[in-house]
Amino acid sequence: SAVISQKPSRDICQRGTSLTIQCQVDSQVTMMFWYRQQPGQSLTLIATANQGSEATYESGFVIDKFPISRPNLTFSTLTVSNMSPEDSSIYLCSVEDLAGPGEKLFFGSGTQLSVL
Amino acid sequence: GENVGLHLPTLSVQEGDNSIINCAYSNSASDYFIWYKQESGKGPQFIIDIRSNMDKRQGQRVTVLLNKTVKHLSLQIAATQPGDSAVYFCAENTGFQKLVFGTGTRLLVSP
Repeated sequence: SAVISQKPSRDICQRGTSLTIQCQVDSQVTMMFWYRQQPGQSLTLIATANQGSEATYESGFVIDKFPISRPNLTFSTLTVSNMSPEDSSIYLCSVEDLAGPGEKLFFGSGTQLSVL
Repeated sequence: GENVGLHLPTLSVQEGDNSIINCAYSNSASDYFIWYKQESGKGPQFIIDIRSNMDKRQGQRVTVLLNKTVKHLSLQIAATQPGDSAVYFCAENTGFQKLVFGTGTRLLVSP
């Protein structure tokens, strides 16, 4: 399985500011996925990031709020813009299984975000 | 993180017991299912998977059962240990490389 490193692991931010979360993978992967996990909830897919193209966002998530970069096959960033307390969540980066693309995903340890 | 599992259904068992965690999935066209374990402060960790052409698959101390008729998935953990305490999520592959996660169950194992 791929080793996924996420930074920061946690942060406390002020309302109205933005935070960029970084995800680094130790192998080249075609697809990277960003998930949100709100307190006490399950995981919800925000968007899929492919290198060389714009990210594909799920219903309820927009690029202006969650801009994503994917400059190469091992790195991606997710920005949470103009934050409000409702954005307090765990944000998780994940990648496809290199042995069987498109099926199981491996996850980073997540970024715990608290917005005051 | 610390907030995982605050409002999730909880299963409490004694160490050494067998645990059964259930999940209902939504899409009858889903053909691949996964169980994940999430410990506090960590991302979900893959446990076991099963394809829709199977109804049972066994791993080390874990068994996944799939009932497509009623769209039900279960995870059985044999001889549950305190280290098994975590939140468990099922996920279904609805196609187009997307995983949809279930609501999760918090497993508490008492020594």
